[in-house]
Amino acid sequence: QSALTQPASVSGSPGQSITISCTGTSSDVGGYNYVSWYQQHPGKAPKLMIYEVSNRPSGVSNRFSGSKSGNTASLTISGLQAEDEADYYCSSYTSSSTLGYVFGTGTKVTVL
Amino acid sequence: QVQLQESGPGLVKPSQTLSLTCTVSGGSISSGDYYWSWIRQPPGKGLEWIGYIYYSGSTYYNPSLKSRVTISVDTSKNQFSLKLSSVTAADTAVYYCARVSIAAAVLDYWGQGTLVTVSS
Repeated sequence: QSALTQPASVSGSPGQSITISCTGTSSDVGGYNYVSWYQQHPGKAPKLMIYEVSNRPSGVSNRFSGSKSGNTASLTISGLQAEDEADYYCSSYTSSSTLGYVFGTGTKVTVL
Repeated sequence: QVQLQESGPGLVKPSQTLSLTCTVSGGSISSGDYYWSWIRQPPGKGLEWIGYIYYSGSTYYNPSLKSRVTISVDTSKNQFSLKLSSVTAADTAVYYCARVSIAAAVLDYWGQGTLVTVSS
């Protein structure tokens, strides 16, 4: 099972909006609404930011939003803040692996 | 609030077996709504699934690691464990335990992670 494809890096200035893509196939991202996004600051454990494509857990800022079109899911961060600088990983349920789940390759977000 | 905590040796010799335990507090590992998982992250690299277990003992492993991995559960202690045999330097990583919400296919709670270094 290959990892979902994310851009290696995305950057933006404070206050801007950025979007991170997560591309898979019809066996994972495109076939199920089970895409989630995780934020990871250096030396810390990943933190759930979005689940089931577009749902935010309690406590996560509404500046974070998720969507999906075809085999590509997206995470948008609006009103970019310095604290948003981190690595972001997508994940999806997959039917093409006995494991059932697959991560994205990860994206480093830099706030300029 | 559910909490997970990894424990185990931080240094393992090549060819030996890496053993870690995850202790769950604030919730029962016997709940049928969750899987209990192990994920690792080599230094400077991305996240990699190792596998996960249901409270009944059913296991699901990453095919690339399956021949070396054993995940077990001890419901009486609210713990689950990882054993990875025949380790090499490539197994050096931060190892995380995490809870999978089955209904949403999401990792909703994570341990803080523990660095395991494979070196003689």
